[in-house]
Amino acid sequence: SQTIHQWPATLVQPVGSPLSLECTVEGTSNPNLYWYRQAAGRGLQLLFYSVGIGQISSEVPQNLSASRPQDRQFILSSKKLLLSDSGFYLCAIKGTDNYGYTFGSGTRLTVV
Amino acid sequence: AQSVTQPDIHITVSEGASLELRCNYSYGATPYLFWYVQSPGQGLQLLLKYFSGDTLVQGIKGFEAEFKRSQSSFNLRKPSVHWSDAAEYFCAVGGWGNKLVFGAGTILRVKS
Repeated sequence: SQTIHQWPATLVQPVGSPLSLECTVEGTSNPNLYWYRQAAGRGLQLLFYSVGIGQISSEVPQNLSASRPQDRQFILSSKKLLLSDSGFYLCAIKGTDNYGYTFGSGTRLTVV
Repeated sequence: AQSVTQPDIHITVSEGASLELRCNYSYGATPYLFWYVQSPGQGLQLLLKYFSGDTLVQGIKGFEAEFKRSQSSFNLRKPSVHWSDAAEYFCAVGGWGNKLVFGAGTILRVKS
């Protein structure tokens, strides 16, 4: 079965510092991968998705970027964090039935 | 364009009482519908999904949902709520190969 690993679980970073969040997947190959952000009191916002190595689609303009250097690795980055980047970041993979998603356990990012 | 509306931001029910969480969607083709649950600080767990067939679907933890095409709704129900059901619930809509769009979520509080 598919499993998703996200780390770190929590992160506190100062404004202006860089960011790297990693998501790795097991139990599947060539998955569709997604990064979502959940800000306090708001729903899930799709940030990026990838259908293959090196293929990244951005859903919203923002201070973040994503990369997919390997088939089962998806990285969310920033060169300089803003206060507004605080939130709960979730990695997801499209399910084996090609419909619903399976989510990782998330990373709570607080920018101070 | 796809969209999901969850009209209730917060709902409070007594333990043992019945529950209904509302979800209305907009989708241009046959929708595939999902309900996810998120406990505090955790990722999202799939409760149930509807693709086709019987419009009343059963999920985990005693939840069920009914698809009503005429009302563009997919409401989640549980006959008797337990304190452990307190969480945030998300409805989502998508299609084969398409991205999922999530509602803003409904926070369920259970009072004893």
